[in-house]
Amino acid sequence: ELKVEQNPLFLSMQEGKNYTIYCNYSTTSDRLYWYRQDPGKSLESLFVLLSNGAVKQEGRLMASLDTKARLSTLHITAAVHDLSATYFCAVDPPKLVFGQGTRLTINP
Amino acid sequence: EAQVTQNPRYLITVTGKKLTVTCSQNMNHEYMSWYRQDPGLGLRQIYYSMNVEVTDKGDVPEGYKVSRKEKRNFPLILESPSPNQTSLYFCASSPQGADGYTFGSGTRLTVV
Repeated sequence: ELKVEQNPLFLSMQEGKNYTIYCNYSTTSDRLYWYRQDPGKSLESLFVLLSNGAVKQEGRLMASLDTKARLSTLHITAAVHDLSATYFCAVDPPKLVFGQGTRLTINP
Repeated sequence: EAQVTQNPRYLITVTGKKLTVTCSQNMNHEYMSWYRQDPGLGLRQIYYSMNVEVTDKGDVPEGYKVSRKEKRNFPLILESPSPNQTSLYFCASSPQGADGYTFGSGTRLTVV
């Protein structure tokens, strides 16, 4: 059974700092997704990683995928308050399984 | 605009009263699915559909039904809702995953 684990689950950081969220999964997969969710809102797609070694960047966020280690990272550079949200990774196929989510709070 | 539309956004109902949450996508996606999100339990898949007339159970299908009579629609049916089905529900669609999944805005259901 596919299991997806994120850490940390809670992260409070200062603006301007860098940090990394980790996503481990238990079975072979070449597809991994990162989503952002604001309180009471839907899931917004951030990155789709489709192969080993894939790296994607958007603004202050960068995601990477190592399928051999079954590990993805979401790196935050010079955090700003607007990035405060809950971040989920998810893996498929055959069905989409989510990590527990990382609640990120960025303090001024 | 490409989107997944869920209705209603909010619903309060009583135990045992049948209800349907609708989900429609305008992207011609083959794959559609339903999830529920609960504090401490995260997002769990209820049912999914690989294409028209093809549906299968996810992790938590008990108490739910779905149908996929046409490609764009994938309604979630609660025949006899119970309070433990109080949750935030999301519908999603995908062109079989290669471009990721698009989620609807969510339906917050309360069963009293």
